[in-house]
Amino acid sequence: GDQVEQSPSALSLHEGTGSALRCNFTTTMRAVQWFRKNSRGSLINLFYLASGTKENGRLKSAFDSKERYSTLHIRDAQLEDSGTYFCAAEAGNNRIFFGDGTQLVVKP
Amino acid sequence: EAAVTQSPRSKVAVTGGKVTLSCHQTNNHDYMYWYRQDTGHGLRLIHYSYVADSTEKGDIPDGYKASRPSQENFSLILELASLSQTAVYFCASSDANERLFFGHGTKLSVL
Repeated sequence: GDQVEQSPSALSLHEGTGSALRCNFTTTMRAVQWFRKNSRGSLINLFYLASGTKENGRLKSAFDSKERYSTLHIRDAQLEDSGTYFCAAEAGNNRIFFGDGTQLVVKP
Repeated sequence: EAAVTQSPRSKVAVTGGKVTLSCHQTNNHDYMYWYRQDTGHGLRLIHYSYVADSTEKGDIPDGYKASRPSQENFSLILELASLSQTAVYFCASSDANERLFFGHGTKLSVL
Protein backbone atom coordinates (compact mmCIF):
# COMPACT_ATOMS: atom_id res chain seq x y z
CA GLY A 1 0.00 0.00 0.00
CA ASP A 2 0.95 3.64 -0.24
CA GLN A 3 1.55 4.03 3.46
CA VAL A 4 3.75 0.99 3.80
CA GLU A 5 6.60 -0.03 1.55
CA GLN A 6 7.69 -3.61 2.14
CA SER A 7 10.86 -5.08 0.72
CA PRO A 8 11.96 -7.27 -0.82
CA SER A 9 8.91 -8.52 -2.67
CA ALA A 10 10.53 -11.91 -3.09
CA LEU A 11 13.42 -13.62 -1.34
CA SER A 12 15.18 -16.93 -1.83
CA LEU A 13 17.37 -18.36 0.92
CA HIS A 14 19.33 -21.55 1.36
CA GLU A 15 18.74 -23.51 4.51
CA GLY A 16 20.84 -22.25 7.38
CA THR A 17 21.25 -18.74 6.04
CA GLY A 18 19.43 -15.60 7.08
CA SER A 19 18.17 -12.29 5.88
CA ALA A 20 15.98 -9.37 6.81
CA LEU A 21 12.67 -8.03 5.62
CA ARG A 22 11.85 -4.38 5.99
CA CYS A 23 8.83 -2.12 6.04
CA ASN A 24 9.15 1.63 5.67
CA PHE A 25 6.27 3.88 6.61
CA THR A 26 5.35 7.22 5.11
CA THR A 27 3.88 8.43 8.36
CA THR A 28 4.24 7.80 12.07
CA MET A 29 2.70 4.49 13.09
CA ARG A 30 1.60 3.45 16.55
CA ALA A 31 2.47 -0.22 16.27
CA VAL A 32 3.43 -2.86 13.77
CA GLN A 33 2.73 -6.53 13.40
CA TRP A 34 4.42 -9.15 11.32
CA PHE A 35 2.75 -12.31 10.20
CA ARG A 36 3.13 -15.22 7.86
CA LYS A 37 0.38 -16.50 5.66
CA ASN A 38 -0.02 -20.25 5.79
CA SER A 39 -1.49 -22.57 3.20
CA ARG A 40 -5.04 -22.14 4.61
CA GLY A 41 -4.92 -18.41 4.30
CA SER A 42 -4.55 -17.85 8.01
CA LEU A 43 -2.24 -15.08 9.02
CA ILE A 44 0.02 -16.37 11.76
CA ASN A 45 0.90 -13.46 13.97
CA LEU A 46 4.65 -13.49 14.48
CA PHE A 47 5.19 -10.25 16.36
CA TYR A 48 3.25 -7.28 17.60
CA LEU A 49 5.39 -4.32 18.60
CA ALA A 50 4.63 -0.86 19.85
CA SER A 51 8.36 -0.13 20.15
CA GLY A 52 11.76 -1.75 20.52
CA THR A 53 12.61 -5.29 19.59
CA LYS A 54 11.23 -8.74 20.16
CA GLU A 55 12.79 -12.10 19.55
CA ASN A 56 11.24 -15.52 19.20
CA GLY A 57 13.46 -18.41 18.25
CA ARG A 58 15.07 -17.72 14.92
CA LEU A 59 13.01 -14.60 14.32
CA LYS A 60 13.67 -11.12 15.57
CA SER A 61 11.73 -7.95 14.89
CA ALA A 62 12.38 -4.30 15.52
CA PHE A 63 10.17 -1.24 15.27
CA ASP A 64 11.26 2.37 15.28
CA SER A 65 8.27 4.67 15.17
CA LYS A 66 10.37 7.81 14.97
CA GLU A 67 12.46 6.56 12.07
CA ARG A 68 9.37 5.02 10.49
CA TYR A 69 10.47 1.49 9.82
CA SER A 70 10.28 -2.06 11.05
CA THR A 71 12.39 -5.10 10.29
CA LEU A 72 11.98 -8.84 10.55
CA HIS A 73 15.19 -10.85 10.73
CA ILE A 74 15.26 -14.55 9.98
CA ARG A 75 18.33 -16.56 10.90
CA ASP A 76 19.16 -20.19 10.23
CA ALA A 77 16.29 -20.44 7.76
CA GLN A 78 14.45 -23.74 7.55
CA LEU A 79 12.30 -25.17 4.78
CA GLU A 80 9.15 -24.63 6.82
CA ASP A 81 9.85 -20.90 6.98
CA SER A 82 8.78 -20.61 3.35
CA GLY A 83 5.68 -18.55 2.85
CA THR A 84 4.47 -15.03 2.40
CA TYR A 85 5.33 -12.55 5.13
CA PHE A 86 3.40 -9.36 5.74
CA CYS A 87 3.84 -6.35 7.90
CA ALA A 88 0.87 -4.31 9.01
CA ALA A 89 1.24 -0.91 10.58
CA GLU A 90 -1.29 0.51 12.96
CA ALA A 91 -2.00 4.20 12.70
CA GLY A 92 -4.51 6.12 14.74
CA ASN A 93 -8.25 5.47 14.79
CA ASN A 94 -7.84 1.73 14.23
CA ARG A 95 -6.53 2.24 10.74
CA ILE A 96 -4.18 -0.47 9.58
CA PHE A 97 -1.96 -0.32 6.54
CA PHE A 98 -0.52 -3.48 5.06
CA GLY A 99 2.67 -4.10 3.18
CA ASP A 100 2.40 -5.95 -0.10
CA GLY A 101 4.14 -9.00 1.29
CA THR A 102 7.42 -10.82 0.82
CA GLN A 103 7.38 -14.27 -0.74
CA LEU A 104 10.11 -16.25 0.95
CA VAL A 105 11.37 -19.51 -0.51
CA VAL A 106 13.84 -21.55 1.50
CA LYS A 107 15.78 -24.06 -0.54
CA PRO A 108 17.71 -27.14 0.63
CA GLU B 1 -4.04 -1.86 -8.96
CA ALA B 2 -6.06 -4.61 -7.37
CA ALA B 3 -9.20 -3.35 -5.68
CA VAL B 4 -11.12 -4.72 -2.73
CA THR B 5 -14.03 -2.62 -1.53
CA GLN B 6 -15.75 -3.11 1.78
CA SER B 7 -19.02 -1.66 2.94
CA PRO B 8 -19.98 -0.14 5.21
CA ARG B 9 -16.79 1.54 6.45
CA SER B 10 -18.22 1.59 9.94
CA LYS B 11 -21.35 0.39 11.66
CA VAL B 12 -22.99 0.50 15.04
CA ALA B 13 -25.25 -2.46 15.78
CA VAL B 14 -27.37 -3.50 18.71
CA THR B 15 -26.87 -6.74 20.56
CA GLY B 16 -28.98 -9.48 19.01
CA GLY B 17 -29.38 -7.66 15.73
CA LYS B 18 -28.34 -8.92 12.32
CA VAL B 19 -25.29 -7.43 10.64
CA THR B 20 -24.08 -7.99 7.10
CA LEU B 21 -20.67 -6.84 5.97
CA SER B 22 -20.08 -6.76 2.24
CA CYS B 23 -16.95 -7.14 0.19
CA HIS B 24 -16.48 -6.67 -3.54
CA GLN B 25 -13.33 -7.33 -5.53
CA THR B 26 -12.53 -6.49 -9.11
CA ASN B 27 -9.34 -8.54 -9.21
CA ASN B 28 -10.75 -11.69 -10.75
CA HIS B 29 -9.32 -13.58 -7.76
CA ASP B 30 -10.68 -16.94 -6.75
CA TYR B 31 -9.82 -16.67 -3.06
CA MET B 32 -11.52 -14.28 -0.70
CA TYR B 33 -11.19 -13.98 3.07
CA TRP B 34 -12.73 -12.36 6.10
CA TYR B 35 -10.48 -11.48 9.04
CA ARG B 36 -11.12 -9.70 12.28
CA GLN B 37 -8.65 -7.44 14.01
CA ASP B 38 -8.82 -6.75 17.70
CA THR B 39 -6.72 -4.02 19.21
CA GLY B 40 -3.38 -5.39 20.27
CA HIS B 41 -3.86 -8.68 18.47
CA GLY B 42 -3.10 -10.10 15.09
CA LEU B 43 -5.57 -10.73 12.34
CA ARG B 44 -7.64 -13.88 12.70
CA LEU B 45 -9.35 -15.74 9.89
CA ILE B 46 -13.12 -16.13 10.18
CA HIS B 47 -14.22 -17.58 6.85
CA TYR B 48 -12.77 -17.90 3.42
CA SER B 49 -13.85 -19.04 -0.02
CA TYR B 50 -12.03 -20.34 -3.04
CA VAL B 51 -14.94 -20.53 -5.45
CA ALA B 52 -18.37 -18.97 -5.87
CA ASP B 53 -21.21 -20.62 -3.97
CA SER B 54 -18.83 -22.24 -1.51
CA THR B 55 -17.39 -21.07 1.80
CA GLU B 56 -14.99 -22.60 4.30
CA LYS B 57 -14.56 -22.10 8.02
CA GLY B 58 -11.47 -20.34 9.19
CA ASP B 59 -9.96 -20.30 12.66
CA ILE B 60 -12.76 -18.47 14.48
CA PRO B 61 -16.01 -19.14 12.59
CA ASP B 62 -18.39 -19.33 15.56
CA GLY B 63 -21.04 -16.64 15.45
CA TYR B 64 -20.42 -15.84 11.80
CA LYS B 65 -21.76 -17.01 8.49
CA ALA B 66 -20.38 -16.24 5.07
CA SER B 67 -21.85 -16.07 1.61
CA ARG B 68 -20.12 -16.08 -1.78
CA PRO B 69 -22.84 -15.55 -4.37
CA SER B 70 -20.36 -14.68 -7.10
CA GLN B 71 -16.61 -14.52 -7.64
CA GLU B 72 -16.68 -10.79 -6.97
CA ASN B 73 -18.73 -10.72 -3.80
CA PHE B 74 -18.16 -12.18 -0.35
CA SER B 75 -20.35 -11.28 2.63
CA LEU B 76 -19.91 -11.83 6.33
CA ILE B 77 -23.12 -12.25 8.31
CA LEU B 78 -23.66 -11.92 12.02
CA GLU B 79 -27.13 -13.32 12.65
CA LEU B 80 -27.19 -12.34 16.32
CA ALA B 81 -24.54 -9.73 16.98
CA SER B 82 -22.83 -9.84 20.36
CA LEU B 83 -20.66 -7.42 22.28
CA SER B 84 -17.63 -9.65 21.74
CA GLN B 85 -17.93 -9.15 17.99
CA THR B 86 -16.95 -5.51 18.27
CA ALA B 87 -13.82 -5.35 16.12
CA VAL B 88 -12.43 -4.18 12.83
CA TYR B 89 -13.15 -6.57 9.99
CA PHE B 90 -10.97 -6.93 6.93
CA CYS B 91 -11.84 -8.54 3.66
CA ALA B 92 -9.11 -9.72 1.33
CA SER B 93 -8.64 -11.47 -1.96
CA SER B 94 -5.55 -13.24 -3.18
CA ASP B 95 -3.98 -13.92 -6.52
CA ALA B 96 -2.20 -16.98 -7.83
CA ASN B 97 0.99 -15.86 -6.09
CA GLU B 98 -0.90 -15.74 -2.78
CA ARG B 99 -0.45 -12.03 -2.42
CA LEU B 100 -3.21 -10.64 -0.28
CA PHE B 101 -5.09 -7.53 -1.28
CA PHE B 102 -7.01 -6.04 1.60
CA GLY B 103 -10.00 -3.78 1.81
CA HIS B 104 -9.87 -0.73 4.05
CA GLY B 105 -11.66 -2.46 6.90
CA THR B 106 -15.05 -2.11 8.56
CA LYS B 107 -15.21 -0.89 12.11
CA LEU B 108 -18.08 -2.65 13.85
CA SER B 109 -19.31 -1.57 17.26
CA VAL B 110 -21.93 -3.74 18.94
CA LEU B 111 -23.74 -2.00 21.78
